[in-house]
Amino acid sequence: EAAVTQSPRNKVAVTGGKVTLSCNQTNNHNNMYWYRQDTGHGLRLIHYSYGAGSTEKGDIPDGYKASRPSQENFSLILELATPSQTSVYFCASGEGGEYFGAGTRLSVL
Amino acid sequence: GQQVQQSPASLVLQEGENAELQCNFSTSLNSMQWFYQRPGGSLVSLFYNPSGTKHSGRLTSTTVIKERRSSLHISSSQTTDSGTYLCALERGSALGRLHFGAGTQLIVIP
Repeated sequence: EAAVTQSPRNKVAVTGGKVTLSCNQTNNHNNMYWYRQDTGHGLRLIHYSYGAGSTEKGDIPDGYKASRPSQENFSLILELATPSQTSVYFCASGEGGEYFGAGTRLSVL
Repeated sequence: GQQVQQSPASLVLQEGENAELQCNFSTSLNSMQWFYQRPGGSLVSLFYNPSGTKHSGRLTSTTVIKERRSSLHISSSQTTDSGTYLCALERGSALGRLHFGAGTQLIVIP
């Protein structure tokens, strides 16, 4: 079974600080995705990648950067965190984006 | 605008009752997926169903593309079915790029 591991699972950050969320998958999937989930909005796509070295903007990329240094790893970077970025973040992988990590709960104070 | 709309937003069932969850979409699609989300947890893919009907145990998914709808039927509900059910559509050539509905929260009481 595909395994997608996110770290950290919980994070408290200060406004204006830098936050990096990490995602690792060991199933050699080309495609990886970052979503955020907020009450009333469901999951929304932030960035995605079709392979090492590539990143693409999703539906709500503003305020986020992504990095795919290898097939296994895909990071989401908040250079200047804001309270509006408080959310639960999910990483996913797979051709259909169907394998999800356990999520990272981020609070920006 | 809202591309994927789910109904009902919430549903409470007595254990043993059946449930019908609906997903309507306002755009063309490549595929439709149904996910289950454990309370406070991750998402588990239930069905990848671009068209037609698929079965898995007590679950049945039916997608009718020309009517722009998909449904998830849960028969003989159990308390362990409680959680949130999400549908997501994949459009055009954007593989795996999913657009999610807001979900249906299901509570099954004993």
